[in-house]
Amino acid sequence: GNSVTQMEGPVTLSEEAFLTINCTYTATGYPSLFWYVQYPGEGLQLLLKATKADDKGSNKGFEATYRKETTSFHLEKGSVQVSDSAVYFCALSDDGKLTFGQGTILTVHP
Amino acid sequence: DAGITQSPRHKVTETGTPVTLRCHQTENHRYMYWYRQDPGHGLRLIHYSYGVKDTDKGEVSDGYSVSRSKTEDFLLTLESATSSQTSVYFCAISAKRNLQETQYFGPGTRLLVL
Repeated sequence: GNSVTQMEGPVTLSEEAFLTINCTYTATGYPSLFWYVQYPGEGLQLLLKATKADDKGSNKGFEATYRKETTSFHLEKGSVQVSDSAVYFCALSDDGKLTFGQGTILTVHP
Repeated sequence: DAGITQSPRHKVTETGTPVTLRCHQTENHRYMYWYRQDPGHGLRLIHYSYGVKDTDKGEVSDGYSVSRSKTEDFLLTLESATSSQTSVYFCAISAKRNLQETQYFGPGTRLLVL
């Protein structure tokens, strides 16, 4: 079956630091890949997505590249802000249903 | 924003009581989903619907039932709530934006079963 593995958290960074959250997946087909973000007390918001190999999704300074050869979709941001503090979820879909990773808590300090 | 509301937003109930959570959408989307969120597990799919009266099970469907009698409403019922069903429940719809299907989530319902 499908599965998604995210790097263990929580992650704590200072403002303006570089962020990487690792995500690898296992899928039987050719999935679409997603990053969702959840701010405290809120639902999930789509952050970015990629639908095929070598596609790069980007939004709000975040980027992730669909790497089929390493089955990965790592999330990166060059300079994080305090407002980026949230829980980040990697997910895949190959049949319309989403399979999520366990989530990574990010805390950014001033 | 996909016009999704969930009710109630918070609920405390006792073991053995029935509970119904409601998801309402305003944009006539065909596909709707119920997930539960638990620490260390991310979100897991409970049930989904692909049209009025058309539903199917997800990964963690035991102890839950759903109904969809109208396009805009998708109900999740816990027939006899247990403490293991304490969780945050999210509804989602699937919408096509920029020619691609993507799921959008409601604000969630926090359920505590005592």
